[in-house]
Amino acid sequence: SQTIHQWPATLVQPVGSPLSLECTVEGTSNPNLYWYRQAAGRGLQLLFYSVGIGQISSEVPQNLSASRPQDRQFILSSKKLLLSDSGFYLCAWSVGHGEQYFGPGTRLTVT
Amino acid sequence: AQTVTQSQPEMSVQEAETVTLSCTYDTSESDYYLFWYKQPPSRQMILVIRQEAYKQQNATENRFSVNFQKAAKSFSLKISDSQLGDAAMYFCATNYGGSQGNLIFGKGTKLSVKP
Repeated sequence: SQTIHQWPATLVQPVGSPLSLECTVEGTSNPNLYWYRQAAGRGLQLLFYSVGIGQISSEVPQNLSASRPQDRQFILSSKKLLLSDSGFYLCAWSVGHGEQYFGPGTRLTVT
Repeated sequence: AQTVTQSQPEMSVQEAETVTLSCTYDTSESDYYLFWYKQPPSRQMILVIRQEAYKQQNATENRFSVNFQKAAKSFSLKISDSQLGDAAMYFCATNYGGSQGNLIFGKGTKLSVKP
C-alpha cells in the first residue's frame, strides 16, 4: 500500500532563516506531487506541483521554491522566511487526474 | 477558471441524525472529478468520497453519499447516522489541469456533532 511521509511535524523558525520541508511517498511510481499551504481557519492553497523528476510548476509566485530530486521525494524550501510564511503545509500525491492523498502535514511558525 | 463554493461555514447535527453539506462548482474541464475531504483536528486531509462527472449514479461510501446534479453544478454530501468522529472540517474539491490533477478546494464547512 502507498504511504506518504512529511517531516518535520512542527517547526518554529525566526524570520530570515532558511526552510526545508521534506515529503516522501512509498508504494507507487512516478506520482504527481503537490505542496499546499493552509492558513489558520482557511482552505488549501496550491503552491507547487510536479509531474516528474526535476519538473516543478508554481501556482503562486512567492518566497518559496520546490524541488524534486528523486521520483518520490518532494522538497519545499525558502532562503529567507517571512512572517507570512507561517501556516500548515501539506504534501500530497496522485496518479493521473484522480484523487489526491495527503501527508500528515507540517505546522510552521515563523517568529 | 474553476471555482468551488461552500456556502455553509458551520453546520451542526445531532448524533445519529442526518446532515447535508452543500457545494457548488464551476469548471471549464470537460472531464472532471469531484471530491469531499474531511479534515479532523489532527489536520490530515482524508478522502471521504469521489464522483466522476461522466457517471450519473451518485457515489456512496458506507454512511456517506453525494447528490450530484451536473446541470446545476451542485455536489452535496450527505452523512447518515452521524457519529461523534464525524466532527471535522469538510472540503469540497474539483480537479483541473488535465493529467496534472490539480485540485481546487472550497473554503470548507465545519461540522459539529452533538451527543
